[in-house]
Amino acid sequence: AQTVTQSQPEMSVQEAETVTLSCTYDTSESNYYLFWYKQPPSRQMILVIRQEAYKQQNATENRFSVNFQKAAKSFSLKISDSQLGDTAMYFCAFMGGSNYKLTFGKGTLLTVNP
Amino acid sequence: NAGVTQTPKFRILKIGQSMTLQCTQDMNHNYMYWYRQDPGMGLKLIYYSVGAGITDKGEVPNGYNVSRSTTEDFPLRLELAAPSQTSVYFCASNSDRVYEQYFGPGTRLTVT
Repeated sequence: AQTVTQSQPEMSVQEAETVTLSCTYDTSESNYYLFWYKQPPSRQMILVIRQEAYKQQNATENRFSVNFQKAAKSFSLKISDSQLGDTAMYFCAFMGGSNYKLTFGKGTLLTVNP
Repeated sequence: NAGVTQTPKFRILKIGQSMTLQCTQDMNHNYMYWYRQDPGMGLKLIYYSVGAGITDKGEVPNGYNVSRSTTEDFPLRLELAAPSQTSVYFCASNSDRVYEQYFGPGTRLTVT
């Protein structure tokens, strides 16, 4: 079974600064996908960024980028130029095999301070 | 295109009562899922379906039942509600060509 670990329950950052959220996972799958989801106070789950394991290039979406270290099974999220609207819970998630099921970490609560 | 819709948004149940959480998607997705989110935790998979008429258990299926008679609908049934089922429930779906899951807005359920 897959496991996803987020070791930082809470983090804070000043507006306009950069912050990195950590995620590690454990799997025996060779083909899988990794995701970061954002959950603001509205509780809607919003996909931030995704990474295919077979791609060596790190994914980037505007201010969001990942550092994917396959051998170390590490998948961190970097948020640049943090904005107040980035305040949310962030979940790392793993999808492996052919059934598309997601395994989530426990989340990191990020607070962006003005 | 409404995406994934869930009803109700909030519900309070008494211990031992039953209810059905509704989930509908209009994207013609084959795959549908039910997750629960307990306070301070990530989402855990309750049940999933790979198409109409096909369902399977996830990580935490006890106390729940599902059915999938159409592509669009995937209701979750709670029988004999217990306080341990107090949680936020999310429905999600994806197609068999796109692995991104689309989530509904969630249902907050309290059992007292």
